[in-house]
Amino acid sequence: QSALTQPPSVSGSPGQSVTISCTGTSSDVGIYNRVSWYQQPPGTAPKLIIYEVSKRPSGVPDRFSGSKSGNTASLTISGLQAEDDSDYYCSSFTSSTTWVFGGGTKLTVL
Amino acid sequence: ELQLVESGGGLVQPGGSLRLSCVASGFTFSGYHMNWVRQAPGKGLEWISYVGSGNNMWYADSVKGRFTISRDNAKNSVFLQMNSLRAEDTAVYYCAKDEDWAFDSWGQGTLVTVSS
Repeated sequence: QSALTQPPSVSGSPGQSVTISCTGTSSDVGIYNRVSWYQQPPGTAPKLIIYEVSKRPSGVPDRFSGSKSGNTASLTISGLQAEDDSDYYCSSFTSSTTWVFGGGTKLTVL
Repeated sequence: ELQLVESGGGLVQPGGSLRLSCVASGFTFSGYHMNWVRQAPGKGLEWISYVGSGNNMWYADSVKGRFTISRDNAKNSVFLQMNSLRAEDTAVYYCAKDEDWAFDSWGQGTLVTVSS
């Protein structure tokens, strides 16, 4: 199972919006609405921020939103804040009853 | 408060074995699916194994036949028996609770280093 494809890095200034893409195949992202996103600051465990493509767990700000079109999912962070500076990973359940992660995207808040 | 605490990591020689444990608290452990996810130094996340509340098990191809996941609901624990370890298994291993096809809670991780 190949990893999902994410851009290695994105950046934005405080207050701006950024979007991180996550491209899979018709065997994972394209077939299920079981895409999730995780935020991982350096040296810490990942934290779930989006599940089932666009749902937010309790406590996650509504500045974080998710969507999907075909084999590509996207995470949008609006109103960037300094605390959003982190690594972000997407994940999808697959038709092989496994999960696959993206390679990760480093978000730099300028 | 929900908590997952991993233990059992350490330094092991190639070809060796190690057993990781994860103790859960703050939720009804028996009703939830559990997973192991690892992260090699400076690399991304890799899902490696799942055990369902009904005790069905799934594995990534990279560990199939070498690693075995199990759970003990009486001890609120999930385990990962790792055999035939290779250098490429060096990573921080996280246990993660699974709900709605996402990993909604994670432990702090335990480091496994495979080296001679």
